[in-house]
Amino acid sequence: QQQVKQSPQSLIVQKGGISIINCAYENTAFDYFPWYQQFPGKGPALLIAIRPDVSEKKEGRFTISFNKSAKQFSLHIMDSQPGDSATYFCAASLIVNQAGTALIFGKGTTLSVSS
Amino acid sequence: DTGVSQNPRHKITKRGQNVTFRCDPISEHNRLYWYRQTLGQGPEFLTYFQNEAQLEKSRLLSDRFSAERPKGSFSTLEIQRTEQGDSAMYLCASSGWVPKGEKLFFGSGTQLSVL
Repeated sequence: QQQVKQSPQSLIVQKGGISIINCAYENTAFDYFPWYQQFPGKGPALLIAIRPDVSEKKEGRFTISFNKSAKQFSLHIMDSQPGDSATYFCAASLIVNQAGTALIFGKGTTLSVSS
Repeated sequence: DTGVSQNPRHKITKRGQNVTFRCDPISEHNRLYWYRQTLGQGPEFLTYFQNEAQLEKSRLLSDRFSAERPKGSFSTLEIQRTEQGDSAMYLCASSGWVPKGEKLFFGSGTQLSVL
């Protein structure tokens, strides 16, 4: 019940195309859903995040779509660029002791954008 | 650079040895987190500090692991009697309080290899 399932494991998209990564969860106690981008040798960096009372959030070329009833959310990268080539992780947040956050991460999607 | 700093970047040790990693969070952040990331997986929550108090520990944190954050500033993570299964990237993250959705800033991690 604590898992976040992410798919696909890897994705190849042509430059200018749309990249779509999907995640699903079971625990209804999750209250915040961030996406992180990670380049080799670096730590994850927050890309965009959404709360479950919102169905969509857009920041530049990145959009999260959230379906609370289906317990699913997805990341769309519009006009994908070679610089977007990285590993993307969805995550779900649980409140822990005194309002700290334990992030439960998916297994990641390796995105390659070909030029 | 005012980001989260982790040292060393790489550590190679022999099985049975003790190792210690250091994390310097962003200076105004009072929350500090440790995560572990193995190859091909998302990060896994290990423990959480608010100021100097360790408020939450994952069941992944066996009794060979100990973390401290003296004076609520930098933090150390020590692993005693290392095992080959401890080989992973150890990530530190910090955050300040955000009313809706905590934003974690990750360091670049310490890559541990146990031979």
